[in-house]
Amino acid sequence: SQQGEEDPQALSIQEGENATMNCSYKTSINNLQWYRQNSGRGLVHLILIRSNEREKHSGRLRVTLDTSKKSSSLLITASRAADTASYFCATDRYGNNRLAFGKGNQVVVIP
Amino acid sequence: GAGVSQSPSNKVTEKGKDVELRCDPISGHTALYWYRQSLGQGLEFLIYFQGNSAPDKSGLPSDRFSAERTGGSVSTLTIQRTQQEDSAVYLCASSPGTANEKLFFGSGTQLSVL
Repeated sequence: SQQGEEDPQALSIQEGENATMNCSYKTSINNLQWYRQNSGRGLVHLILIRSNEREKHSGRLRVTLDTSKKSSSLLITASRAADTASYFCATDRYGNNRLAFGKGNQVVVIP
Repeated sequence: GAGVSQSPSNKVTEKGKDVELRCDPISGHTALYWYRQSLGQGLEFLIYFQGNSAPDKSGLPSDRFSAERTGGSVSTLTIQRTQQEDSAVYLCASSPGTANEKLFFGSGTQLSVL
């Protein structure tokens, strides 16, 4: 079964606003990653947060991880039209030969 | 090449035909993954290769699906006797190590079974 359930599923915001999306998972993890997908094709890795980390930043991205609640959030600050995409969280469980992906968040940034 | 390359980018086939999908990972990457994505859905794991180890085939949905990786590099995913429910985007990814960290994805093959 897939771990990672993003919430909300779809988000429409004005350019310049912040976008926040959440992800929950069911079992213990090594790390949690966020990916972006444009136009339904290849995914691009955005950021990785390890299970012993609580917050991480990369440019306009901020990710948090709460292992007690088994949840993560991705914040995109000062959004741009180019941020329009689907965003997926993926969890890595120890000893598991795969990343388990959620169903994704569709984010539309209106210029 | 600089990235993961998949071919063909689009494949239309008739129900019952066999198809082969190809993936060229980034040179030097030991791990290779195949995922499937149905319209509007998340990614479904299919198979994982790591170096010369036996592949993890636990995600293959039926015995009509098989995959191989020759020489630790190029991989081919074969679907025999295709069905309409096989229609999806098939994504290949590679990564440099044994940890499931930072996967590099190809652009995928859009498979349509008529």
